[in-house]
Amino acid sequence: GENVEQHPSTLSVQEGDSAVIKCTYSDSASNYFPWYKQELGKGPQLIIDIRSNVGEKKDQRIAVTLNKTAKHFSLHITETQPEDSAVYFCAAPGGGADGLTFGKGTHLIIQP
Amino acid sequence: DAGVIQSPRHEVTEMGQEVTLRCKPISGHDYLFWYRQTMMRGLELLIYFNNNVPIDDSGMPEDRFSAKMPNASFSTLKIQPSEPRDSAVYFCASTISGGLTEAFFGQGTRLTVV
Repeated sequence: GENVEQHPSTLSVQEGDSAVIKCTYSDSASNYFPWYKQELGKGPQLIIDIRSNVGEKKDQRIAVTLNKTAKHFSLHITETQPEDSAVYFCAAPGGGADGLTFGKGTHLIIQP
Repeated sequence: DAGVIQSPRHEVTEMGQEVTLRCKPISGHDYLFWYRQTMMRGLELLIYFNNNVPIDDSGMPEDRFSAKMPNASFSTLKIQPSEPRDSAVYFCASTISGGLTEAFFGQGTRLTVV
């Protein structure tokens, strides 16, 4: 089955700086890579996703890059703000034909 | 739509008791997933349904766990008997068409087994 590794587990950045979270996956057939944000006491919420036919996707301050050869993808958040503080999860297809395998999560802390 | 609705939000029970978690998916979504979240293991897929039919339950940890979806608007996850190691946050999520589309998660049920 799919194995998703996520780094770092905790990331602290100054407000206004950029944050980068990286994930690797094992199944070369995987073709869909979402990122979820989880705030305290809530369920994860999709913030951006990318499919294997593109190498980069951007949505305002958030971008995701995909390197299929190396089997890794990254989340980039620019101009970080206090409301970006949360736990972020990457995922890839796995756990059955329709399930997702999630990384262990990155706790992003935005320092004022 | 109010989103995916789970109940209860918190459940504290004694070891050996039966626990039933409930989920109402978003109307029109054909897929329903049950996940478990712990610090040690992260988010794990337990089971999922397509059009009310269980498709893959390979993530269900033991026979003590069972899940049903009697209709398109309701699913349950039951643990009988419960054990302290079952303590976790259980999430239900629904998607409009499979795993390659946005999953909408409920608020979760925090289960504590003492």
